[in-house]
Amino acid sequence: AQKITQTQPGMFVQEKEAVTLDCTYDTSDQSYGLFWYKQPSSGEMIFLIYQGSYDEQNATEGRYSLNFQKARKSANLVISASQLGDSAMYFCAMREIQGAQKLVFGQGTRLTINP
Amino acid sequence: DAGVIQSPRHEVTEMGQEVTLRCKPISGHDYLFWYRQTMMRGLELLIYFNNNVPIDDSGMPEDRFSAKMPNASFSTLKIQPSEPRDSAVYFCASSPVQTAKETQYFGPGTRLLVL
Repeated sequence: AQKITQTQPGMFVQEKEAVTLDCTYDTSDQSYGLFWYKQPSSGEMIFLIYQGSYDEQNATEGRYSLNFQKARKSANLVISASQLGDSAMYFCAMREIQGAQKLVFGQGTRLTINP
Repeated sequence: DAGVIQSPRHEVTEMGQEVTLRCKPISGHDYLFWYRQTMMRGLELLIYFNNNVPIDDSGMPEDRFSAKMPNASFSTLKIQPSEPRDSAVYFCASSPVQTAKETQYFGPGTRLLVL
């Protein structure tokens, strides 16, 4: 069974600093996708970035990048130059590429950016 | 383009009452997912449909929960009878044919409170 672990319940970072949110996963599948979502206080789930298990390069989307270490089964999200608007819950999720289409989510990390 | 639409956005009801949550997926999306988010259990998949057909309902907590998708543009999640432990945010999400990097697009959620 797939499992996502986010070990940081909360993080506090100064504005403009970079921050790394940890995510480790467990799966027996060879083909899978890893996703990060942001959930601000308003409640909606916002897709941030995707990494495929066979992608050779780490994914990047603007200020977001994914530090993917397949052998260690980790997919950490890096936010560069953090902004006050980055304060939110962040969820790591995984999905099999073949078979079941459901996303399995971690418990999330609450990120607070201090001015 | 309109995103995933959910109604109502908030629902307060009394224990024992029937609750119906509604979802309109993004036009052209073949997959529809119902998730529930609570503090204790995080985000968990309840059921998902492919081309209006339920594929995996293993996450539906018990017989009090039922979901239907009568056509490609509408789905309902019904709880009958409702209980206080059903209080949660219920998300509907949709996605097109599942290519490797296709994300799921979430609706704004329905915040349910059962008294």
